[in-house]
Amino acid sequence: GAVVSQHPSWVICKSGTSVKIECRSLDFQATTMFWYRQFPKQSLMLMATSNEGSKATYEQGVEKDKFLINHASLTLSTLTVTSAHPEDSSFYICSARPRLISYEQYFGPGTRLTVT
Amino acid sequence: AQSVTQPDIHITVSEGASLELRCNYSYGATPYLFWYVQSPGQGLQLLLKYFSGDTLVQGIKGFEAEFKRSQSSFNLRKPSVHWSDAAEYFCAVVRNQAGTALIFGKGTTLSVSS
Repeated sequence: GAVVSQHPSWVICKSGTSVKIECRSLDFQATTMFWYRQFPKQSLMLMATSNEGSKATYEQGVEKDKFLINHASLTLSTLTVTSAHPEDSSFYICSARPRLISYEQYFGPGTRLTVT
Repeated sequence: AQSVTQPDIHITVSEGASLELRCNYSYGATPYLFWYVQSPGQGLQLLLKYFSGDTLVQGIKGFEAEFKRSQSSFNLRKPSVHWSDAAEYFCAVVRNQAGTALIFGKGTTLSVSS
């Protein structure tokens, strides 16, 4: 149980285009989902916290107009990287916190974004 | 501000030898602590967690960790390492602000030699 999927697992896009990444909790409902970014050989940095039915809360320094997050249902959150540039190339990881369970979250396998 | 420090960037251990990965945290109250493992191309897998109670916690794959409040540490151990344990290991603490986001250490890369 407690499986989180991400789609796509790998995407290449051209500079200036937008790309959407989906995060789904497959066998549980998630009131909260988190989006992290991981640079090569580095740690995970929290980008934003997304609660179902409300606006995402972005971390300081994260451009909310560039990284659009939508959490429309208890099993799906999406991250859209708008007008992507090469510096947005990174590994994006989502996690989901099961409803009514505190302090535990389950991670998706990640999405590798390469902007050319 | 809260932080997690993993002092060792890279550790190499012989197969069958014991392992200890260090983790120090900064937090005033009782922290909620986690160890995750990340294998190449895969997501993070929870090894074990500490919320309260017994300070020695057992996890999956034969791992254990000990919470030591006096040292602000939560070191991960395994008595006998297998080649399949080679991966990136992250220590994390729940952030104390509203919400349950995690603050991660920078990770320790474990290599296993034969």
